[in-house]
Amino acid sequence: KQEVTQIPAALSVPEGENLVLNCSFTDSAIYNLQWFRQDPGKGLTSLLLIQSSQREQTSGRLNASLDKSSGRSTLYIAASQPGDSATYLCACGRDDKIIFGKGTRLHILP
Amino acid sequence: EPEVTQTPSHQVTQMGQEVILRCVPISNHLYFYWYRQILGQKVEFLVSFYNNEISEKSEIFDDQFSVERPDGSNFTLKIRSTKLEDSAMYFCASSGQGVGSTEAFFGQGTRLTVV
Repeated sequence: KQEVTQIPAALSVPEGENLVLNCSFTDSAIYNLQWFRQDPGKGLTSLLLIQSSQREQTSGRLNASLDKSSGRSTLYIAASQPGDSATYLCACGRDDKIIFGKGTRLHILP
Repeated sequence: EPEVTQTPSHQVTQMGQEVILRCVPISNHLYFYWYRQILGQKVEFLVSFYNNEISEKSEIFDDQFSVERPDGSNFTLKIRSTKLEDSAMYFCASSGQGVGSTEAFFGQGTRLTVV
């Protein structure tokens, strides 16, 4: 059974810093890995999708990496801004469902 | 940009009542999903739907739950007799080829409160 873990559970950093969010998963037989953003009480916004054959994906200030063999993914956020404050969810896709981690709650201090 | 739309945004219902949560997936998508998130907990998979039938469901999705695609655009989740523990945010999602291949897009959610 796939288990997705995200560390840390919460993170506060000053504006402008680069930061890394970590995700680990127990079953490396995934088809893809997706990073989402969730604002309080809101829906899930897809940020990046990495297929199992890929090592990384980039979108603007975001870069996500995937190491299937070690069961790890990281989300790198460059030059953080207060608007980046949200919960970031890592999710592994396989067969016909996505398994989510509990998320990292990120707070960027102005 | 195409998006998944869910209605209502918030629904309050009495325990034992039936509720129907509605979703309009992205128009050319073929795979549809329901997930739920109890306050403070993980987003959990409920059910996937393709070609007018359930393709996979979790142990949460018991006989009290059902899904339907009544026409070419809507996708609904029905809870027959709500319990207090059904209170959660319910998310609908859709994808073009199934989440094993392509990106899943989620709606903004319906917050269900059972009193």
